[in-house]
Order: sequence, then structure tokens, then C-alpha cells
Amino acid sequence: QKEVEQDPGPLSVPEGAIVSLNCTYSNSAFQYFMWYRQYSRKGPELLMYTYSSGNKEDGRFTAQVDKSSKYISLFIRDSQPSDSATYLCAMNRGYQKVTFGTGTKLQVIP
Amino acid sequence: DGGITQSPKYLFRKEGQNVTLSCEQNLNHDAMYWYRQDPGQGLRLIYYSQIVNDFQKGDIAEGYSVSREKKESFPLTVTSAQKNPTAFYLCASSISDNEQFFGPGTRLTVL
Repeated sequence: QKEVEQDPGPLSVPEGAIVSLNCTYSNSAFQYFMWYRQYSRKGPELLMYTYSSGNKEDGRFTAQVDKSSKYISLFIRDSQPSDSATYLCAMNRGYQKVTFGTGTKLQVIP
Repeated sequence: DGGITQSPKYLFRKEGQNVTLSCEQNLNHDAMYWYRQDPGQGLRLIYYSQIVNDFQKGDIAEGYSVSREKKESFPLTVTSAQKNPTAFYLCASSISDNEQFFGPGTRLTVL
């Protein structure tokens, strides 16, 4: 069983929809949680970085962490075609190796 | 502009050749990393370095070598011992081990 599980998609939504991207994990020691966006043939770009449980909002993006369920989510409001990319979740215990999910491919259809 | 640069963007290697991928950062980050990305497998850590003149093997170090002679530079050599080197290679850097910032990547193809 992988430490981090992420649905590979692809996920197709109409423009303006609310998108929910999710990861589950098995290591209860993980404390730091990150979401990256990766466009095709480009390097990943850090979108959100959270510590511990709760929500963090940045513009149209909201990161949510539920440590009791070992579940993290990234919500994208008012999705745009420019949001079409692969989204990677990542997490670690702090000052340790980061474990990445395999990524969810998102397509926002105009 | 602060950032991470990787070169070349595309690289072709013949069987039995060693090739070196360049990674440079001007973010003044202490830690640097090399990952390999294959379809459906996510990012796998090859090597990392937390300080100049020191580096550690990651999960898939066999067939690869690195050096860290300068804070800004962390080149990766893909040796002929790497049996399946065709992949997208990503370099990253960070102040701590948490938030890592990635370069644009190098796509290596074996001919």
C-alpha cells in the first residue's frame, strides 16, 4: 500500500465549476501538507502549503486537512481553462523526505 | 529573477553513455534534490543534498551520481548503469525540507 493515494483522474469539469481534488495517506506522523500544480512538460509549482488540520484559503484555492481521517483536499472555485493541469499532493513529517502523490489530471472545459 | 534553472531542456543519450544534467539555483537555498518522474508513478527521489559537499541517496539512486561543490549547483550524472533512464528529471531546492521549489525539468531520452 502506498503511503499517499491520489486518484489519477482524468477529471473533466465545465468552466466555472467547483473542483475537489483529494489525497489520502497512511502515515499519521505527516504534519506538513502541500499542493503543487504541474502543467504538461513543466516543473511542479507550489500552490498551497499547510500545517496541521484545518482550512487555508488563497484566492480561488482552498486547502483542507483532516488529520483524524488522514485526508486532504484542494478546492478550486470558479474553475478556469487555465486551471487545466495535473495536481500533486505532497506531505512530510517536517525536515524529512517529502512523499508525493501520483497526481490528478484536471481538464476544465470552456 | 530568483529561481531554479535546469539544462538542457531535452537530452538524448545513446546506450552506454554517461550524461550530466545541470541544476542551478539563486534562491540561496541550502537543500537541493533530484527527482525522476515517470507516467503513473509520481515523483521518485534520486539524491538530495542538505549542505555543500554532502549528499544522500534517495529511493532510486542506483545508476546515478551527484556532486555538490557549490551551494548554487547540484548536477546529476546518469550513468550507463542506469537501465531505464528515459524519464523527466526534476531538480528542486528548499530552505527546509517542507516547501520545495522546482525547476522546469529535463526530458532525457535514450536512443
